[in-house]
Amino acid sequence: AQKITQTQPGMFVQEKEAVTLDCTYDTSDPSYGLFWYKQPSSGEMIFLIYQGSYDQQNATEGRYSLNFQKARKSANLVISASQLGDSAMYFCAMRPNFGNEKLTFGTGTRLTIIP
Amino acid sequence: DTGVSQDPRHKITKRGQNVTFRCDPISEHNRLYWYRQTLGQGPEFLTYFQNEAQLEKSRLLSDRFSAERPKGSFSTLEIQRTEQGDSAMYLCASRRDGGDSPLHFGNGTRLTVT
Repeated sequence: AQKITQTQPGMFVQEKEAVTLDCTYDTSDPSYGLFWYKQPSSGEMIFLIYQGSYDQQNATEGRYSLNFQKARKSANLVISASQLGDSAMYFCAMRPNFGNEKLTFGTGTRLTIIP
Repeated sequence: DTGVSQDPRHKITKRGQNVTFRCDPISEHNRLYWYRQTLGQGPEFLTYFQNEAQLEKSRLLSDRFSAERPKGSFSTLEIQRTEQGDSAMYLCASRRDGGDSPLHFGNGTRLTVT
């Protein structure tokens, strides 16, 4: 079974600053993928970034980067130069690469960007 | 790519009534998923289809819940004899076959059982 832990229920960050959202995971699967999603107040889940467990380099997508530390089982999301539109819930999730299709989510972090 | 479409956006029903939700995935995405999200929680997996075959079901999916994808395109999720505990956001997602492709979610159907 997989488990995702997001220990920060809420964070407040000044606009234009960088922010790190924490995510740790637990799994016995040897190969897996890690995902981050953004959920604005309107409700849709927006895919942000993906990291494969065997990827040698940390994933980056524009202002988003994933700080992947496999030995520590952590996959923190870093948002650079935060914008007001970044205010939302952020969910970390994981899925094994083989065996089942279940994407397991954490409880999320509510990020609020302060102007 | 027109995105995943869900209908209705909101549904209010009385306890004991049956409800049905529809999901239209992104065209050519053969994998379709249903998730449920309650307030303050992340989405929880309910079930998964590959084409028309329902390949995985969560223990969360009680006998009152049934999902179909009859022609491998759109899907329906029916809840019979609704209970107040069924109140939640029901999210549908799809992805193309295999590998590391991410799930693309719809805007969800918010169900309120009174």
